[in-house]
Amino acid sequence: GAGVSQSPSNKVTEKGKDVELRCDPISGHTALYWYRQSLGQGLEFLIYFQGNSAPDKSGLPSDRFSAERTGGSVSTLTIQRTQQEDSAVYLCASSLEGFAVQETQYFGPGTRLLVL
Amino acid sequence: GDSVTQMEGPVTLSEEAFLTINCTYTATGYPSLFWYVQYPGEGLQLLLKATKADDKGSNKGFEATYRKETTSFHLEKGSVQVSDSAVYFCALSDLGNQGGKLIFGQGTELSVKP
Repeated sequence: GAGVSQSPSNKVTEKGKDVELRCDPISGHTALYWYRQSLGQGLEFLIYFQGNSAPDKSGLPSDRFSAERTGGSVSTLTIQRTQQEDSAVYLCASSLEGFAVQETQYFGPGTRLLVL
Repeated sequence: GDSVTQMEGPVTLSEEAFLTINCTYTATGYPSLFWYVQYPGEGLQLLLKATKADDKGSNKGFEATYRKETTSFHLEKGSVQVSDSAVYFCALSDLGNQGGKLIFGQGTELSVKP
């Protein structure tokens, strides 16, 4: 596609439920990143994929958070047993290779998650 | 660890005023530096970047110079417009990180009044 797409754009869920957030990166981009944007914490890195593997998961805040990427393309971020502090905008970004620090990351519009 | 600090907002300016948003960083390696912008209701997009010391990034009348001696990457524009109202994020990507993840400052909200 022309850019990074994410779905759903908005998600309201009840505390304790599981949610899945989807990211479609730019075609041909091998690197994919998840970030979280919240009022209290700003923009935080969550996880980085190079192809289908995740060499850097250091930003995942707890074991309730997991992510996978299949076919070197689509990625899903799953939050189990959601808590109110998980409410945030979840951003996905992709870049061509991921090995070069000067690469531009292209961001999707985000999924706004609200946990009631 | 690596970090980015930028001036707190909100910043309110009149149209055609001069803009400076300060950004300083701490990094263990030789980072690339970025300014991203988030317009109201839109996603993050790259505004400009610089990949080595003394490089100047520029775009849409904005510019920032990579100053290694002061570990700074201040954003400037000579004459702001109402359409520049947005949140601006300074960020770095360091070879010390696996895969070039971005580390962001806290963001500075700019409001330009006509």
